Amino acid sequence: DADVTQTPRNRITKTGKRIMLECSQTKGHDRMYWYRQDPGLGLRLIYYSFDVKDINKGEISDGYSVSRQAQAKFSLSLESAIPNQTALYFCATSDPGTSTDTQYFGPGTRLTVL
Amino acid sequence: SQQGEEDPQALSIQEGENATMNCSYKTSINNLQWYRQNSGRGLVHLILIRSNEREKHSGRLRVTLDTSKKSSSLLITASRAADTASYFCATALGGGNKLVFGAGTILRVKS
Repeated sequence: DADVTQTPRNRITKTGKRIMLECSQTKGHDRMYWYRQDPGLGLRLIYYSFDVKDINKGEISDGYSVSRQAQAKFSLSLESAIPNQTALYFCATSDPGTSTDTQYFGPGTRLTVL
Repeated sequence: SQQGEEDPQALSIQEGENATMNCSYKTSINNLQWYRQNSGRGLVHLILIRSNEREKHSGRLRVTLDTSKKSSSLLITASRAADTASYFCATALGGGNKLVFGAGTILRVKS
């Protein structure tokens, strides 16, 4: 079974709709991250959480919100989706105990906003 | 702005040839990591090199780090068609900070 799972894997929605992307992990890691990937731009950090009570904005947090429901769950919400939020979204985890910041990624969610 | 910048943006080689990708970064780092992404899939960690290391090997992968030039290279020897993927460098600034990813190099290995 995959250590980091994301649901849904694909989603098509319309402008103005509220969307939630979910991430679950069985790695027991405290740290979780949400990225978006656009062609030619690599990964850009949206939000990250270093433990259940810690939420931090990343490089491109505008238009997004997150919720860390438990150590294993970190969800990303688009309150009112717009077309330029069409992208591939990735969740990742890391273990602070390793001191290397190595991250483990989920399979991604392809989101299309029409 | 992105910390890591990969070069070239795209690389096409024949099976059996070596592939070299470069990464430059801007600030002091704790370590530098390389990740691989197959088309539309999640990134997978390949190899990590710490700031006090100059070279590291893992199977067919060889990574070098030059902190004076703020650059790293990833060499894949004897490439295979299955190596076709995008490769990203990511820098860790240390102190429990997050990673910063570059834009990636798209590698195509032709059989």
